[in-house]
Amino acid sequence: DQQVKQNSPSLSVQEGRISILNCDYTNSMFDYFLWYKKYPAEGPTFLISISSIKDKNEDGRFTVFLNKSAKHLSLHIVPSQPGDSAVYFCAAPNAGNMLTFGGGTRLMVKP
Amino acid sequence: ETGVTQSPTHLIKTRGQQVTLRCSSQSGHNTVSWYQQALGQGPQFIFQYYREEENGRGNFPPRFSGLQFPNYSSELNVNALELDDSALYLCASSLVAGSSYNEQFFGPGTRLTVL
Repeated sequence: DQQVKQNSPSLSVQEGRISILNCDYTNSMFDYFLWYKKYPAEGPTFLISISSIKDKNEDGRFTVFLNKSAKHLSLHIVPSQPGDSAVYFCAAPNAGNMLTFGGGTRLMVKP
Repeated sequence: ETGVTQSPTHLIKTRGQQVTLRCSSQSGHNTVSWYQQALGQGPQFIFQYYREEENGRGNFPPRFSGLQFPNYSSELNVNALELDDSALYLCASSLVAGSSYNEQFFGPGTRLTVL
C-alpha cells in the first residue's frame, strides 16, 4: 500500500524553463509534506515543506502547491538550473516523525 | 557542527551472514531513524530510536534490529541476510520525537550488497 506516490520516474527540462514534479497521497491523516533532494552518493537534503493549512509555500525558485481535495502536491522550480539535476522525493511524516516517501522523480536539467 | 555520518560507506556480504551498520547523529540530536532505499525506490522507514528506546517500527521483520547508545549514536543490525536486503541504508537524526514534525538530517548512507 503506497501512501505516497510519484508517478513520473523521470523528467527532463531545458535550463531556464519550469520544472513541475508531482506527488499524490492516499492517507488523509497526513497534514505536513516535505520535498527532499538527493544527489548521488549523498543523503537526501530537505528542500521545502508545506502544512495542510496552506495551499502554497514559496522559497526562492522553489514553490510547493497543495491540493487537499485531490490529495495532490506539486513542486515547481523556476527557472530550472543544471545544478537542480537530482532525484526529488516527496514525503509525509506520521505523528511520530517517521517519514513515508514517494518513489522519487529523477530531474535532468539540460544546459 | 558535525553532520550525520555513517560507516562503512560500502559493504559486501553473502546470504545468511550478519551485518552491523553504524550512524553518528548530528550534535545535540537525540532521535535516530533508519531507512532502507532499494534501487529505483524511495526510502522506506525501518525503525526509530529515541533516548535509547525503539520508538516506532516500519514493516520490517525482526531480523532487523537496532541500538542507540547514550551519546545518541546508533547501530542497525541485520541477521540472516537475504538478497533483497541489498540496498542503501540511510540514517537520519532529529532533535526530538513528538507529535510535531522535527526536521530530519540524513547521512550519506551505507550501500549494502548481498551476494
